Amino acid sequence: DIQLTQSPSSLSASVGDSVTITCRASQSIDTSLNWYQQRRGKAPELLIYAASSSQSGVPSRFSGEGIGREFTLTISRLQPEDFATYYCQQSYSFTPITFGQGTRLEIK
Amino acid sequence: EVRLVESGGDLVQPGGSLRLSCAASGFAFSSYWMSWVRQAPGKGLEWVATIKKDGSEEYYVDSVKGRFSISRDNVQNLLYLEMKGLRPEDTAVYSCARGRNSFFWGQGTLVTVSS
Repeated sequence: DIQLTQSPSSLSASVGDSVTITCRASQSIDTSLNWYQQRRGKAPELLIYAASSSQSGVPSRFSGEGIGREFTLTISRLQPEDFATYYCQQSYSFTPITFGQGTRLEIK
Repeated sequence: EVRLVESGGDLVQPGGSLRLSCAASGFAFSSYWMSWVRQAPGKGLEWVATIKKDGSEEYYVDSVKGRFSISRDNVQNLLYLEMKGLRPEDTAVYSCARGRNSFFWGQGTLVTVSS
């Protein structure tokens, strides 16, 4: 199975800050990497697919990049609604599809 | 508007069975692979199973193989997850999700396995 390790597991930031979350894969997955946001009590929502493509309707302050084993999600100019948990997910190996353990973004 | 509404979650004893349903609307259901994913309380996300558009192929995470069965009804736009031999570690919110490589999620239904 392909393991995904996110770092950090949690971080604190202020409104207006920029933050970067990293997702490392246990083997190369090309650009088969998605990012989701999960607000408390809500279903996850797709932000970025294929490592760097933004899902329709996602604010431009969210961006993703990477290829191979290392990927990043950057959120610029944090807004109050951005404080949530973020997950990466690989689709390179279909069975099983795997997720990172999550990164909790909290207000400082 | 794309909608996925799950139902069927309940409290069940270890070794018991449960059938989850997902009603899909707002999109061409038969044109999409569909999946089930779960999230244990306070934990991360875990893919459970996926079924091909026409129901001809099914895929499962190892921990549920032989116990869970995914199926679909492309006339009624329904997705199912039949669960048998339930274990405490199966306790989670189960969500149906549109897609195979990336997901659009429903809100989920809670399955609790406990004596």
